[in-house]
Amino acid sequence: DTAVSQTPKYLVTQMGNDKSIKCEQNLGHDTMYWYKQDSKKFLKIMFSYNNKELIINETVPNRFSPKSPDKAHLNLHINSLELGDSAVYFCASSQKGAGTGNNYGYTFGSGTRLTVV
Amino acid sequence: EDQVTQSPEALRLQEGESSSLNCSYTVSGLRGLFWYRQDPGKGPEFLFTLYSAGEEKEKERLKATLTKKESFLHITAPKPEDSATYLCAVGLWGAGNNRKLIWGLGTSLAVNP
Repeated sequence: DTAVSQTPKYLVTQMGNDKSIKCEQNLGHDTMYWYKQDSKKFLKIMFSYNNKELIINETVPNRFSPKSPDKAHLNLHINSLELGDSAVYFCASSQKGAGTGNNYGYTFGSGTRLTVV
Repeated sequence: EDQVTQSPEALRLQEGESSSLNCSYTVSGLRGLFWYRQDPGKGPEFLFTLYSAGEEKEKERLKATLTKKESFLHITAPKPEDSATYLCAVGLWGAGNNRKLIWGLGTSLAVNP
């Protein structure tokens, strides 16, 4: 069973369209994240949810809206897509205490490659 | 400004040729330093977390060490399957006392047979 699964894996769409990416984790983690990885491989956090509550909301255009129906799911909806939104989007999960005296890191999904044309 | 810098950007080794990757950071209030491995087309895979200067962790041919300003990932006698991008990240407290990771750009390692 995949621990953190994202769909779709590839998404090609035209400028101006609205699209969603879904993420599910079966690890029992209570915190989920969305990261954006640009063409230079730089990973930047976008959002973090803990038990369905928005915890981190970095400087992201409000065209991006996360939704967490339960603590195992975190979806990302993007309105009015722009060329600059093209990137790989990663979902990840962790226990809230990840990194606090234990060896737990973050578990990442395999990514969604979004191409806006 | 909180920053994580990794060097070199790219490294090519012969199989069996040991080397080290560097991750230097300038952050206030470090809450863990993380090493990840990323293969093409996949998400980062967790390797280690280090918390305090002097700490070391090992896994197969990899050993991570931490000082007050940097971390090293030592690769001993690498094999071609160790080829990947190695990412370093530092943990900081984010909103609501949740951890936020600041990432480096990674070192792309290629090990030739």
